[in-house]
Amino acid sequence: QKEVEQDPGPLSVPEGAIVSLNCTYSNSAFQYFMWYRQYSRKGPELLMYTYSSGNKEDGRFTAQVDKSSKYISLFIRDSQPSDSATYLCAMSDAGGTSYGKLTFGQGTILTVHP
Amino acid sequence: DGGITQSPKYLFRKEGQNVTLSCEQNLNHDAMYWYRQDPGQGLRLIYYSQIVNDFQKGDIAEGYSVSREKKESFPLTVTSAQKNPTAFYLCASSIDLPALNYGYTFGSGTRLTVV
Repeated sequence: QKEVEQDPGPLSVPEGAIVSLNCTYSNSAFQYFMWYRQYSRKGPELLMYTYSSGNKEDGRFTAQVDKSSKYISLFIRDSQPSDSATYLCAMSDAGGTSYGKLTFGQGTILTVHP
Repeated sequence: DGGITQSPKYLFRKEGQNVTLSCEQNLNHDAMYWYRQDPGQGLRLIYYSQIVNDFQKGDIAEGYSVSREKKESFPLTVTSAQKNPTAFYLCASSIDLPALNYGYTFGSGTRLTVV
């Protein structure tokens, strides 16, 4: 079983829809949680970061962490065609068995249709 | 502007050839990483380096080699021992390890194809 599981999709939604992207994980030592966005043939870029449990909002994006369920989510409101990309979750144990390196999910391919 | 530069963007390798992928950063980051990305497999760690003249194997190091002679540079050599090298290769850096809230900064990648 992988430490981080992410549904690879693909996910296709109409413009304006609310998108929910999710990851589950097994390592209870993970404390730092991130979402990266990767456009085709480009490197990933950091989109959202959250420490421990709770919510964080940035414009149309909301990141949610539920450590009790080992489950994180990224919500995109009023989705736009420019949101079409692969979204990767990533997490870190801040120096534990992974020495603080990021562990990535497989990535979810999202397409937003005009 | 600070960032990570990977070159070349596209690279073609003949069977039995070694090729070297370049990665340079001007972010003054201590830690650097190499990942391989295949469709449906996410990012897999090849090698990482926390400091100059030191590097560690990742999950799929076989058939690859690296060096870290300068803080700014972390080249990856794909050797002929790597049997399936066709993939998208990503270089990344972070201020330090653990990566904590700053995460990684990624380059734009090199697409390697065996011909």
